[in-house]
Amino acid sequence: EPEVTQTPSHQVTQMGQEVILRCVPISNHLYFYWYRQILGQKVEFLVSFYNNEISEKSEIFDDQFSVERPDGSNFTLKIRSTKLEDSAMYFCASSGDPSGQETQYFGPGTRLLVL
Amino acid sequence: DQQVKQNSPSLSVQEGRISILNCDYTNSMFDYFLWYKKYPAEGPTFLISISSIKDKNEDGRFTVFLNKSAKHLSLHIVPSQPGDSAVYFCAAKGRGSNYKLTFGKGTLLTVNP
Repeated sequence: EPEVTQTPSHQVTQMGQEVILRCVPISNHLYFYWYRQILGQKVEFLVSFYNNEISEKSEIFDDQFSVERPDGSNFTLKIRSTKLEDSAMYFCASSGDPSGQETQYFGPGTRLLVL
Repeated sequence: DQQVKQNSPSLSVQEGRISILNCDYTNSMFDYFLWYKKYPAEGPTFLISISSIKDKNEDGRFTVFLNKSAKHLSLHIVPSQPGDSAVYFCAAKGRGSNYKLTFGKGTLLTVNP
C-alpha cells in the first residue's frame, strides 16, 4: 500500500540554525501539506501546496518557514532560524488522487528538538 | 479556536464491547469529516471519513455517524479490541477547500482485555 515517508525521524538542532524536513508524498497525489503537533497539543495545520505553489497557510507559517517541491517526488519544509518553540512533531500529508479522493494520508513524522 | 471539539480526553472500554467516540463542531462550512487513529511517536492513520451529504458510513468494525443539525459526529467501534487502544482524532475540512484539516484534541481509547 502506498504511504507517505518522512526523513529524518528525529532532528536535534541549536536555536538559530536552519533545518530542512523531507517528505515523499504518495506518488499520484496532487496536494501536499505540513502539520505540526507540539507535545500535549492539537495537530495544527501549517501549509498546503498545490500546483507548485502555496494554496493556504496558517498564521504559524511565518517568514521563517518555506516549502518546496524540488523534484517530482520530494516535498520539503525549511525553517530558516529555529526557535525553542519550534520543537514539535512535524507531519507531512498528501491527498487528491486523480479520482478526487479527499482523504489526507499522513507520514510518520519528524520529531524536531530545538535546544 | 476550538472549531472541532472532542470533550472526552479518555475512554475505557472492555474488549468485545462497543466504543463510542464523540466529536462536535461549530463551523457550518465543514463538509467532510475524518477520523484518525494515532499511536505514540507515529503519524495519524486514516480510519474512516464521511461527507456532509451522508449521515452514516460503515467500514468493517468502524461506523461514523453524522448529525448535521446538531453539528455532531461519532465513531463507533464494535467489537472493540485491545489493539484499538490509541488516541482518536476527529478532523474536519471546509467546503470548497482541498486544504487544511482542523483537528480536535483527541480522545485516548483504552480497550481492556
